[in-house]
Amino acid sequence: EVQLFDSGGGFVQPGGSLRLSCAASGFTFSSYAMTWVRQAPGKGLEWVSAISPSSNSIYYTDSVKGRFTISRDNSKSTLYLHMNSLRAEDTAIYYCSKNLATGMAFYDSWGQGTLVTVSS
Amino acid sequence: EILLTQSPGTLSLSPGERATLSCRATQSVSITSLAWYQQKPGQAPRLLIYGASSRATDIPDRFSGSGSGTDFTLTISRLEPEDFAVYYCQQYGTSSVTFGGGTKVEIK
Repeated sequence: EVQLFDSGGGFVQPGGSLRLSCAASGFTFSSYAMTWVRQAPGKGLEWVSAISPSSNSIYYTDSVKGRFTISRDNSKSTLYLHMNSLRAEDTAIYYCSKNLATGMAFYDSWGQGTLVTVSS
Repeated sequence: EILLTQSPGTLSLSPGERATLSCRATQSVSITSLAWYQQKPGQAPRLLIYGASSRATDIPDRFSGSGSGTDFTLTISRLEPEDFAVYYCQQYGTSSVTFGGGTKVEIK
C-alpha cells in the first residue's frame, strides 16, 4: 500500500523558514516524480512544485520561485520542501503527492497534509 | 498559463440524482492532460478521472469524464451519500499545473 506522510509544518513569523518532509513507502520512490500541492484555509488547491525521479527536472509556481526549494533523497524515500522568506499568503496545508506515472502529472496518492501558518 | 473555471460553484442535489460538473479552460487542453479530483472535509484530494475520461483505481463506474478542447465534464450518474464533496479539475502543461476553483456538491 502506498503511503505518504507529511511533516514539518508549524507556526512561523513572516520572513522565517521551514522545511517540510514527506516520507514515502509502499512503492519504488525513485521511479516516480513527486509534487507539492497546497491549500489555503477554506480555499482551493494550488500546485506548488514538482521534481522528477532523478531530480533532473524541477518546477515551481511563480509565486514561490526563489524562495522555495524542492528536493528528494531517493535513498531515504523522502521528499522535501525548503521554504524561505515565508509570507502570510503561504499559509496553507501542504500536501505531498505521487505522480500517477512517468510523463503524467496526475496525483494518485497524497499525504495527509501538514499545516504551515505564517503570522506575526 | 491556462486557467480553469468550474461551474456551478455549488450544486444542490438529492441522493440518486445525476450531477453534471463543468470545467472550462482559457486555452485548449489536451485530453491526456485533464483530471478530476474529489475532496471531502478534512481529507486529502482523491484522484477520480485522468486523461479526461479514464477512471482511476477503485473509482466506481457511476463517475465518468468527458470533453475536449476547452470544455470538460464530470458526471456522477446517481449520487450516493458519500459523493457529497468538493470536486476539482486539473490540467498540466510543459512546466506548470493548474486547478479549477472547485464545485461543491451538497445535499439538497
